[in-house]
Amino acid sequence: AQSVTQLDSQVPVFEEAPVELRCNYSSSVSVYLFWYVQYPNQGLQLLLKYLSGSTLVKGINGFEAEFNKSQTSFHLRKPSVHISDTAEYFCAVRPFGNEKLTFGTGTRLTIIP
Amino acid sequence: NAGVTQTPKFRVLKTGQSMTLLCAQDMNHEYMYWYRQDPGMGLRLIHYSVGEGTTAKGEVPDGYNVSRLKKQNFLLGLESAAPSQTSVYFCASSPGETNEKLFFGSGTQLSVL
Repeated sequence: AQSVTQLDSQVPVFEEAPVELRCNYSSSVSVYLFWYVQYPNQGLQLLLKYLSGSTLVKGINGFEAEFNKSQTSFHLRKPSVHISDTAEYFCAVRPFGNEKLTFGTGTRLTIIP
Repeated sequence: NAGVTQTPKFRVLKTGQSMTLLCAQDMNHEYMYWYRQDPGMGLRLIHYSVGEGTTAKGEVPDGYNVSRLKKQNFLLGLESAAPSQTSVYFCASSPGETNEKLFFGSGTQLSVL
């Protein structure tokens, strides 16, 4: 079985500062990795995904994430955050050939003006 | 573009009452999912389906039943609601490939008193 750990439940960041949201996973097989964002009172939408190839993937709204196989991590970064980035961010994994997507517990990003 | 539609958006039940949540997608997706979201616990998979007429259990299936009689619809039933089932429920769908993203509905807020 696979699992996802997001150690930071809340991250406050000043506007225009950089941010990193951490994600670690465990799985006995290879996985696809995803970051989803949930804005207040909305469903989740995909930010970015890693399937294969380059370990640095770029997503929407200036976010990027780096896959590190040796550390089983997939941290999300943005060099300069905006008020509109206030949301909850979920890391998720899906083993190759498996229909089930497993989510972490989420990180609430709060932008301080 | 309707995407994934959930009904109802809000519901209040008394303990022991029953209800059905409806999820409809118009993207001809093979896979459909029901998740529940609780504070500090992220999204947990209740049941899922990989095609019309098929269903399977997720992480937290107890107290819920599902049906997928038509490809576009995935119903989640609570036969005898309990306060522990107070949650936000999300339906999602995806094409029949495990490297594809999930498309989410806007959620159903359910309170069981």
